[in-house]
Amino acid sequence: QVQLQESGPGLVKPSQTLSLTCSVSGGSISSGTYYWSWIRQHPGKGLEWIGYIYYSGSTYYNPSLKSRVTISVDTSKNQFSLKLSSVTAADTAVYYCARVYSGLFQHWGQGTLVTVSS
Amino acid sequence: EIVLTQSPGTLSLSPGERATLSCRASQSVSSSSLAWYQQKPGQAPRFLIYGASSRATGIPDRFSGSGSGTDFTLTISRLEPEDFAVYYCQQYGSSLTFGGGTKVEIK
Repeated sequence: QVQLQESGPGLVKPSQTLSLTCSVSGGSISSGTYYWSWIRQHPGKGLEWIGYIYYSGSTYYNPSLKSRVTISVDTSKNQFSLKLSSVTAADTAVYYCARVYSGLFQHWGQGTLVTVSS
Repeated sequence: EIVLTQSPGTLSLSPGERATLSCRASQSVSSSSLAWYQQKPGQAPRFLIYGASSRATGIPDRFSGSGSGTDFTLTISRLEPEDFAVYYCQQYGSSLTFGGGTKVEIK
């Protein structure tokens, strides 16, 4: 059974870059069957898809965040990462990583809360 | 972008009752590419339904989905205590978007 685990700083200062990593176990990112995605959830709110990446490095981003988002993959470590630049308080959220099959978020990490504050 | 509107915002029901949740799309969702997820407090969402009506592996048959085009429904035939949660619809026919969620709470 695949497992995903987010890691990274829980506190980021305004205007800085948020960086998170998702470690995948129980399956290889390089299998080519799946895409690997980031989703966020503002406190008490709904879900927002950020973007996803294929093992080859091809990326697809939510147009509303595209100018600030970079998702990358490290197949040697079986990890993928999120960078979100120029953060503000509006980027405070729980960030989830997930495995995607045909557009379906089948398996999720437990999520990590990132707070943007000085 | 396809916008998904879920209603009602909150559904107050008792265990054993039937829950009917609605998800309406701003434009037709191609190939019934509509999924449902369940989220409990402090947990990640759980994948329930895909293709509007197919249950994911391990999902009890009291959960059923229906609909096509712009109108979709998730039905829980008889609510169990563990079913009280927030439910989200998601379309994957044109990019990826989620609805705002429906909370099913104990009456």
